[in-house]
Amino acid sequence: DTGVSQDPRHKITKRGQNVTFRCDPISEHNRLYWYRQTLGQGPEFLTYFQNEAQLEKSRLLSDRFSAERPKGSFSTLEIQRTEQGDSAMYLCASSPGQGVETQYFGPGTRLLVL
Amino acid sequence: AQSVTQLGSHVSVSEGALVLLRCNYSSSVPPYLFWYVQYPNQGLQLLLKYTSAATLVKGINGFEAEFKKSETSFHLTKPSAHMSDAAEYFCAVSDRNTDKLIFGTGTRLQVFP
Repeated sequence: DTGVSQDPRHKITKRGQNVTFRCDPISEHNRLYWYRQTLGQGPEFLTYFQNEAQLEKSRLLSDRFSAERPKGSFSTLEIQRTEQGDSAMYLCASSPGQGVETQYFGPGTRLLVL
Repeated sequence: AQSVTQLGSHVSVSEGALVLLRCNYSSSVPPYLFWYVQYPNQGLQLLLKYTSAATLVKGINGFEAEFKKSETSFHLTKPSAHMSDAAEYFCAVSDRNTDKLIFGTGTRLQVFP
């Protein structure tokens, strides 16, 4: 069990550019979650997948954001036409998907939009 | 809607002193509650969770929390602080249908020698 991994760990981009983040969950975990954390705040839910199905999206997830989880394994989060307000830590978590379970978090991807 | 409130964005204690981090929740159904810890530039690690079993929950690193329905609280305690406990602590409530976590704003714990 290697834990949840995220790539890249850091990303600096210019406003207007597109960025894509990847999350690899713990093997055989059915649920995968994306959260966003800004400075001085707790993580905020963005979206989650049960296997390959995206079951809920937060109102925080504007049309510029899209997430996928093909084949129910890794997931990608893409932000199009980045804005300075997108600067944050993007956290991924996974859980087995049965009942009330611990979500295991990755180290996060820190995004800075200049 | 479910929510949590963490009173005190910063808490400072001396090494060996009692740690008390406060969390109050709001939920229309019996909640599932969690405490996570975050060290600098790292993800979140679960300290403990309450899922309607025993009201006193013991976690890792000597931490424990007590669920008090009458006070809608789930405060985190540790009898004796260690320098390595310095971190950000988050209380969270879980949505029963999706398991998504709703976090408080966090409390930064500083431990002085």
